[in-house]
Amino acid sequence: QSALTQPPSASGSPGQSVTISCTGTTSDVGGYNYVSWYQQHPGNAPKLMIYEVTKRPSGVPNRFSGSKSGNTASLTVSGLQAEDEADYYCSSYAGNNKVIFGGGTKLTVL
Amino acid sequence: EVQLVESGGALVQPGRSLRLSCAASGFTLDDYAMHWVRQAPGKGLEWVSGLSFNSESIGYADSVKGRFTISRDNAKNSLYLQMNSLRTEDTAFYYCAKADYDILAAPSHFDYWGQGTLVTVSS
Repeated sequence: QSALTQPPSASGSPGQSVTISCTGTTSDVGGYNYVSWYQQHPGNAPKLMIYEVTKRPSGVPNRFSGSKSGNTASLTVSGLQAEDEADYYCSSYAGNNKVIFGGGTKLTVL
Repeated sequence: EVQLVESGGALVQPGRSLRLSCAASGFTLDDYAMHWVRQAPGKGLEWVSGLSFNSESIGYADSVKGRFTISRDNAKNSLYLQMNSLRTEDTAFYYCAKADYDILAAPSHFDYWGQGTLVTVSS
């Protein structure tokens, strides 16, 4: 099973908004509302930022939001801050007790 | 405080075996599904395997099916990954991750992660 498709890079200036896409198929992203997003800073473990497409865990700023349309999910970071610079990965349940990740997007704050 | 601490990573030759462990604390292990996720150096995340709270449901990535075995001992608050017939492409940091649900066929997000243990497969 191939990884979900994410753009390799994204960027924005402080205060701007940036959206990262995550494209799958009807067998994963399109078939379940079980998309999650993770932030990973260099040398650190991933951190859950969004789950079940739109939900934010406690402690995650409301600048982070998620959405989904068809087979594509999106993560939007509003009011970009320097600390948002990191790698971002989407993930989805893929049926048959399997999970699939995206290839990752490196977000640069200019 | 939830903590996940992986151990067992090492340098091994291709074809050999290795067993990873994950010690869990700060929560009741047998209430949640648990997973292993790996990351090759400088590369992206790859889900490896998951196990339901009662070990009745198990999932494996195609890349490791038939070679890796996930298991848990709730009494010892531990998760394991037995890795056989290791290949060079198995070289990665291996993370233990806690799911937010007890079963696998559910919202499959990971709310806590360990810091990872490095497995290097090389001759």
